[in-house]
Amino acid sequence: AQTVTQSQPEMSVQEAETVTLSCTYDTSESDYYLFWYKQPPSRQMILVIRQEAYKQQNATENRFSVNFQKAAKSFSLKISDSQLGDAAMYFCAYSPGSSNTGKLIFGQGTTLQVKP
Amino acid sequence: GAVVSQHPSWVICKSGTSVKIECRSLDFQATTMFWYRQFPKQSLMLMATSNEGSKATYEQGVEKDKFLINHASLTLSTLTVTSAHPEDSSFYICSVTDRVQETQYFGPGTRLLVL
Repeated sequence: AQTVTQSQPEMSVQEAETVTLSCTYDTSESDYYLFWYKQPPSRQMILVIRQEAYKQQNATENRFSVNFQKAAKSFSLKISDSQLGDAAMYFCAYSPGSSNTGKLIFGQGTTLQVKP
Repeated sequence: GAVVSQHPSWVICKSGTSVKIECRSLDFQATTMFWYRQFPKQSLMLMATSNEGSKATYEQGVEKDKFLINHASLTLSTLTVTSAHPEDSSFYICSVTDRVQETQYFGPGTRLLVL
């Protein structure tokens, strides 16, 4: 069975600094998608970034970037120039298959605190 | 604007009653929708895959007779919590996949409190 593990229940970062959230996963499949989602207090899930497993290049979205290590089954999220609005719960998620079916397996989540 | 809506946004009910939660895809047709449950300060757990025109696919450990799913149209899926008990109190979230854009959209969630 596929599993996703986030080993950091809580993280904090000073405003304008950089923070990295860790995620590892376990799968025997070669084709899949990986995601980072943000869940603010409103609880609305917001897609931060996604990575297709067949792509070697790490995905980036403005201040957000990932370090995708397929062999190590690691998928960390780096947030640069942290802002107060980045404070939220962050979930790493895995989706099996070569097309994005939408079925997601989530990690336990990391609560990110941003200090002014 | 919102791509996926859920109704109601929150509901309080008495133990033993049934509650229906609707998930609507507003911008595109969806043959598949997903239902998740999230307990406070915990992760989202996939409950079932709602398939338009056919039976839902339930994840291991999810009671299909308790959580009835109906996907009667390409834009609407409903989750009915039957004979609700306090332990069913949770945050229920649906998601819809736009297969053209290969993007998932989540509903705003429904908070259920069973007294």
